[in-house]
Amino acid sequence: RKEVEQDPGPFNVPEGATVAFNCTYSNSASQSFFWYRQDCRKEPKLLMSVYSSGNEDGRFTAQLNRASQYISLLIRDSKLSDSATYLCVVWGSGGYNKLIFGAGTRLAVHP
Amino acid sequence: DADVTQTPRNRITKTGKRIMLECSQTKGHDRMYWYRQDPGLGLRLIYYSFDVKDINKGEISDGYSVSRQAQAKFSLSLESAIPNQTALYFCATSDFRQGAETQYFGPGTRLLVL
Repeated sequence: RKEVEQDPGPFNVPEGATVAFNCTYSNSASQSFFWYRQDCRKEPKLLMSVYSSGNEDGRFTAQLNRASQYISLLIRDSKLSDSATYLCVVWGSGGYNKLIFGAGTRLAVHP
Repeated sequence: DADVTQTPRNRITKTGKRIMLECSQTKGHDRMYWYRQDPGLGLRLIYYSFDVKDINKGEISDGYSVSRQAQAKFSLSLESAIPNQTALYFCATSDFRQGAETQYFGPGTRLLVL
């Protein structure tokens, strides 16, 4: 079983739609959680951290459910520029704490 | 100017050749990393370094070596390249704050081993 699992997609949505991605992680000792965005043929960039209480940044909302070991990202009012791959990232799994990356969920927003 | 740079950006080489990928950063971070990315697998850690005298293997270090020449430079070598090392390679640096890490990635090196 992969340590961090995501639906690879693609999620094809029209502009203005609301779309949600989920991610599950296997290690209950994981401490911190993030969503990174990766545009085609580009490097990953931090989109937002995910806090236990949930957090929002404009049109983006991230939530963490420790009991069920999943993380979610909600994008409201999708824009064409949101088209990218979204990587779920988990930090801290015992021993040397390091980032574990999911394989990513691809989002395609169309006019 | 980019904070994390990688050279070369693209490289084609032949099986058995030794190649080096270079990474430089101007962020002043102590921690540096090398990852490879393959379709459907996500980023996998090859090596990491917490300072100039510290080198650690990641999950897929076989066939690779690294050198941390200075705080700002971290190079990755493929001693004898093989076709399954064809991948997109990223260097990253991190800023350890409050128990978590935000990583800053270079633009990547696309490597093709024939």
